[in-house]
Amino acid sequence: SQQGEEDPQALSIQEGENATMNCSYKTSINNLQWYRQNSGRGLVHLILIRSNEREKHSGRLRVTLDTSKKSSSLLITASRAADTASYFCATVPNSGGYQKVTFGTGTKLQVIP
Amino acid sequence: DADVTQTPRNRITKTGKRIMLECSQTKGHDRMYWYRQDPGLGLRLIYYSFDVKDINKGEISDGYSVSRQAQAKFSLSLESAIPNQTALYFCATSGNRDRDGSTEAFFGQGTRLTVV
Repeated sequence: SQQGEEDPQALSIQEGENATMNCSYKTSINNLQWYRQNSGRGLVHLILIRSNEREKHSGRLRVTLDTSKKSSSLLITASRAADTASYFCATVPNSGGYQKVTFGTGTKLQVIP
Repeated sequence: DADVTQTPRNRITKTGKRIMLECSQTKGHDRMYWYRQDPGLGLRLIYYSFDVKDINKGEISDGYSVSRQAQAKFSLSLESAIPNQTALYFCATSGNRDRDGSTEAFFGQGTRLTVV
């Protein structure tokens, strides 16, 4: 599988429900980041979690990182229609800077009002 | 105003034409990147630059060239556009990790390029 691969590819939920997206990666990382992309727009950084962190919160976002399983999850609680977007994980390796980041193919989230 | 500005936002061009996509940033960052996004493939790095005199090829540089005219400006050129270069192109910046302690990136709004 691809470095920074998200699962599921698409997710459709009702407004108010929680949305969980997963990301798996292969190599050792310095940090893992989640980005959001509204249709046809640029990516917006949501949250960064370092390899020595296990969980991080930002508003309605909760990110976990399990380096032993090389996986991360993004939880959006109490989803809103405005959360409809694609979500990407990006892994920054230990061996270099951002130029070596790998983006996943994304999870397309649809929140139905 | 946006921190990272790309022009044009949309462009249709003919096969064989030369085209330049421009990017400017007000973040004061040294590091700038050009990516392309294709459906189902995520973002792939075309070129990156760590300062005005430093240009590096990324994963998919063939058919592309870049110019770093100033710290704030980084342009991408397609010397002779071909249809499989039809994609969404993004410019991004990031701070120096040693200085900022983080490597999050800031993206422009994208340029949708269609080569016919």
